[in-house]
Amino acid sequence: DGGITQSPKYLFRKEGQNVTLSCEQNLNHDAMYWYRQDPGQGLRLIYYSQIVNDFQKGDIAEGYSVSREKKESFPLTVTSAQKNPTAFYLCASSSNIATNEKLFFGSGTQLSVL
Amino acid sequence: GQNIDQPTEMTATEGAIVQINCTYQTSGFNGLFWYQQHAGEAPTFLSYNVLDGLEEKGRFSSFLSRSKGYSYLLLKELQMKDSASYLCAVAQAGTALIFGKGTTLSVSS
Repeated sequence: DGGITQSPKYLFRKEGQNVTLSCEQNLNHDAMYWYRQDPGQGLRLIYYSQIVNDFQKGDIAEGYSVSREKKESFPLTVTSAQKNPTAFYLCASSSNIATNEKLFFGSGTQLSVL
Repeated sequence: GQNIDQPTEMTATEGAIVQINCTYQTSGFNGLFWYQQHAGEAPTFLSYNVLDGLEEKGRFSSFLSRSKGYSYLLLKELQMKDSASYLCAVAQAGTALIFGKGTTLSVSS
């Protein structure tokens, strides 16, 4: 089955620690995205990537980093510089950005601070 | 910049009809999406409008007026399982979708 896989489903971070959220897709999509969702809020864009080895900052990129070394993978690192990391993180993909195709979402990762 | 507004919460009863509005201000408009999201789950695609008018898909319909910067999602014959958040998202050419804060719909019996 084609789809997007996020792992882990739940993640705990200690103060001063970097953590990495995994996102893998086998839909052969060019574009991938990371969104953050806080309780009762919509989705806010962290980073997105239109193609391998290229990515752009979204509205709330500070304290986060990404890489896109393979088409299938777009991991997100939450660094110690992100002072309020507790949130639900959603990864998504689309065939390409230029034609504004619909997004397919992973099942999300809930990150909490210990 | 861009701005997307939706009501925060709505309530309705089973079997009723509810309309969820979304207004937006953006440059380079390239269409509007509606997604449904149950608590703790991923959003799922409901509809996409790029031209003015009404798109009907079963119990759900979506309307767009580009000149007014306005869209609505119409849900008919409400069921308990329709209790969820409904997210309006605007597409701009060459960039990622921008989402509104979502409308939480509670359906009661």
